[in-house]
Amino acid sequence: DAGVTQSPTHLIKTRGQQVTLRCSPKSGHDTVSWYQQALGQGPQFIFQYYEEEERQRGNFPDRFSGHQFPNYSSELNVNALLLGDSALYLCASSLGASGTYEQYFGPGTRLTVT
Amino acid sequence: DQQVKQNSPSLSVQEGRISILNCDYTNSMFDYFLWYKKYPAEGPTFLISISSIKDKNEDGRFTVFLNKSAKHLSLHIVPSQPGDSAVYFCAASANFNKFYFGSGTKLNVKP
Repeated sequence: DAGVTQSPTHLIKTRGQQVTLRCSPKSGHDTVSWYQQALGQGPQFIFQYYEEEERQRGNFPDRFSGHQFPNYSSELNVNALLLGDSALYLCASSLGASGTYEQYFGPGTRLTVT
Repeated sequence: DQQVKQNSPSLSVQEGRISILNCDYTNSMFDYFLWYKKYPAEGPTFLISISSIKDKNEDGRFTVFLNKSAKHLSLHIVPSQPGDSAVYFCAASANFNKFYFGSGTKLNVKP
């Protein structure tokens, strides 16, 4: 049973560029949440997708956008990258929006903005 | 606004002894609390949770205590094992909405 997978593992981008991160949820899960974890901090909620719609959003600017596909996989897009966007981006999947307490996390994508 | 705080960045205990990790929160609307464990190069894994209608939840060596009046929760690990060495995050939510995480406590269990 495949768990949550994320790609790529590492990524280096330049300020002003755009980046797309990908996530495949655990088999049977239909809800995907994205988190940003800065160095020495806990994960911060970016947004959650369920039924291909953004259901909840954290305190992140519109430069952060996402998408969920019919197969429940998801993408996180960040435009106009800033140095402060350097972080570990975690994807978590769960079953149904009400089951978000039992989230399964992927290993993350380490984004470095130079 | 950090609604969930873990004020101890690190904790070191001897194998076999008790590990106590603490977490404080500010939002009285939080009604569900979780602990996650994170090893290097892996995503956080769910450890144990507690609803606000309880004050204690046990799962094997792990027990979480909730003190609503003090807005404080703690995770007890007894006995501690070297394999428990990891970063522990507490998280909280209101009505299963977005989860707020603390900054983590790095636990080192010495053999």
